[in-house]
Amino acid sequence: AQKITQTQPGMFVQEKEAVTLDCTYDTSDPSYGLFWYKQPSSGEMIFLIYQGSYDQQNATEGRYSLNFQKARKSANLVISASQLGDSAMYFCAMSQEGVNTDKLIFGTGTRLQVFP
Amino acid sequence: DGGITQSPKYLFRKEGQNVTLSCEQNLNHDAMYWYRQDPGQGLRLIYYSQIVNDFQKGDIAEGYSVSREKKESFPLTVTSAQKNPTAFYLCASSPLAGAMDTQYFGPGTRLTVL
Repeated sequence: AQKITQTQPGMFVQEKEAVTLDCTYDTSDPSYGLFWYKQPSSGEMIFLIYQGSYDQQNATEGRYSLNFQKARKSANLVISASQLGDSAMYFCAMSQEGVNTDKLIFGTGTRLQVFP
Repeated sequence: DGGITQSPKYLFRKEGQNVTLSCEQNLNHDAMYWYRQDPGQGLRLIYYSQIVNDFQKGDIAEGYSVSREKKESFPLTVTSAQKNPTAFYLCASSPLAGAMDTQYFGPGTRLTVL
């Protein structure tokens, strides 16, 4: 069965430092997509970054990059130069080609707290 | 200003009542979704719709119903059959159905059963 695992319930990082949030996934399908979302205390889920299973290069979006290691089935999110506004819940999610292409499978999230 | 709106932001329901959560998008997206989030959990899919007048059950559809009469609207009804409806409900949309497209979310509705 498809599954997303986020093993870090909470992380702390000092402002301006980099932080890595872990995500591992389980699937037997060759075609899938991996997403990271940010959920601030207001509740809205904000899309951050996407990585396709066939993409050769790691995805980057501004201060966000995705460290994609296909053989290890990991898709860690790296946030560089952390800011106080980065404090939020972060969710890793996966979609798959096939019958349920519209289904996103979510992990349980990591709460990131950035301190001055 | 394009986006996804959900209303109300907070909703209180007495046991035995049906309530309807609104979701509207002006992004011209084909697909729309409803997710439920419980404390300390990720999101779980309730229903999704790839096209007008068609929708499919997700993982936790029991006790919920939806309609898709217009492309921009996908209301969710939480019926009295839903045993534990207190949760945060998020609506999402994506440009194309069945294409592993990015899903974009609304601000959510927090439902509390009294």
